[in-house]
Amino acid sequence: DAKTTQPTSMDCAEGRAANLPCNHSTISGNEYVYWYRQIHSQGPQYIIHGLKNNETNEMASLIITEDRKSSTLILPHATLRDTAVYYCIVRAPNSNSGYALNFGKGTSLLVTP
Amino acid sequence: NAGVMQNPRHLVRRRGQEARLRCSPMKGHSHVYWYRQLPEEGLKFMVYLQKENIIDESGMPKERFSAEFPKEGPSILRIQQVVRGDSAAYFCASSPPSRPSGNTIYFGEGSWLTVV
Repeated sequence: DAKTTQPTSMDCAEGRAANLPCNHSTISGNEYVYWYRQIHSQGPQYIIHGLKNNETNEMASLIITEDRKSSTLILPHATLRDTAVYYCIVRAPNSNSGYALNFGKGTSLLVTP
Repeated sequence: NAGVMQNPRHLVRRRGQEARLRCSPMKGHSHVYWYRQLPEEGLKFMVYLQKENIIDESGMPKERFSAEFPKEGPSILRIQQVVRGDSAAYFCASSPPSRPSGNTIYFGEGSWLTVV
């Protein structure tokens, strides 16, 4: 699976949009971009995923560049409960590890009042 | 639809004892994964199972650790003769049967093992 690069940490004011970038310049054509987050002392939570089109759900939006080498997760109105570590993971449907996710270090997002 | 259920949520064991962690996948999910998170560290893949089969155990320590996912009942992660270094959060995840477009993996809330 392709490697991803994320900033170590970011701050965001409550009520503002949080834009979390991810670089995945070696992504292959069949690899999806997944986003998870882990709030302290909880299990990882699935947020959203996409292949090449932008995606939106009740939690967030995912913007993938046309060349697919980077993406941005957008939390439109961040709340204090969005403080968490956010993981961008690139994953192929037929990876040798049976679709297991490889978590990197992620971005630690702090939402401030 | 209940999520991935793990129990116990917290477990304390003395050195040398055995720890058994259980995981019931989401309804309709036939794939189970176990991950470990050591204190202040990232999530590390341990093992991937389907019903009655271990598909990938490349992340499992070679000794004392084993996992199973029987035809009936939950998946079990078993740690024999626990040592203090086994103290960690153990997360189970599940996903539905494979699709060409991939499948989303959902996690449980974890089991926190403390070895004293």
